[in-house]
Amino acid sequence: AQKITQTQPGMFVQEKEAVTLDCTYDTSDQSYGLFWYKQPSSGEMIFLIYQGSYDEQNATEGRYSLNFQKARKSANLVISASQLGDSAMYFCAMSRRTGANSKLTFGKGITLSVRP
Amino acid sequence: ETGVTQSPTHLIKTRGQQVTLRCSSQSGHNTVSWYQQALGQGPQFIFQYYREEENGRGNFPPRFSGLQFPNYSSELNVNALELDDSALYLCASRQGQGGGYTFGSGTRLTVV
Repeated sequence: AQKITQTQPGMFVQEKEAVTLDCTYDTSDQSYGLFWYKQPSSGEMIFLIYQGSYDEQNATEGRYSLNFQKARKSANLVISASQLGDSAMYFCAMSRRTGANSKLTFGKGITLSVRP
Repeated sequence: ETGVTQSPTHLIKTRGQQVTLRCSSQSGHNTVSWYQQALGQGPQFIFQYYREEENGRGNFPPRFSGLQFPNYSSELNVNALELDDSALYLCASRQGQGGGYTFGSGTRLTVV
């Protein structure tokens, strides 16, 4: 079984500063993927970044980077130069890389508020 | 390319009724998954369809059922609605059985 843990309470960050959102995971699979999604109040899940378990480099997508520490089973999201539009819920998720039932398992999410 | 579209966006039903939610997958995507997201929680996997066959199911009772059509669009049916079925229902699609998912904006179901 796969499990995602997000324990941070609501996070606050000043506009233009960087913020780290924590995520730890547990799985017995050797090949898996880690995802971060953003969910604004509209409800849509917006894909931010992906990290494969065998990827040697940490993933980056624009202002988003994923700090992947496999031995510690952590996949923290770093948002640089925060913007007001970054205020939303953020979910960490994982899945098996391929195959049937490669569903997404989500954490409970973290609320991020960006202050002007 | 168009993304994932879901309908309706909002719905109010009475306990005991039946409901059908619809999802059009992103062009080129042949795998569709459905998730239930209760208020303040992360989404929970309901089931997944690949090429019109169910190939994965979460811990949901049989009154949650689905279909995938030849054009890869999908339906989620819920019978005998209960108050706890009130949630945001998200549809997600992808190409094949690997890689990332694209989500729709969801259907917010309220059972009264």
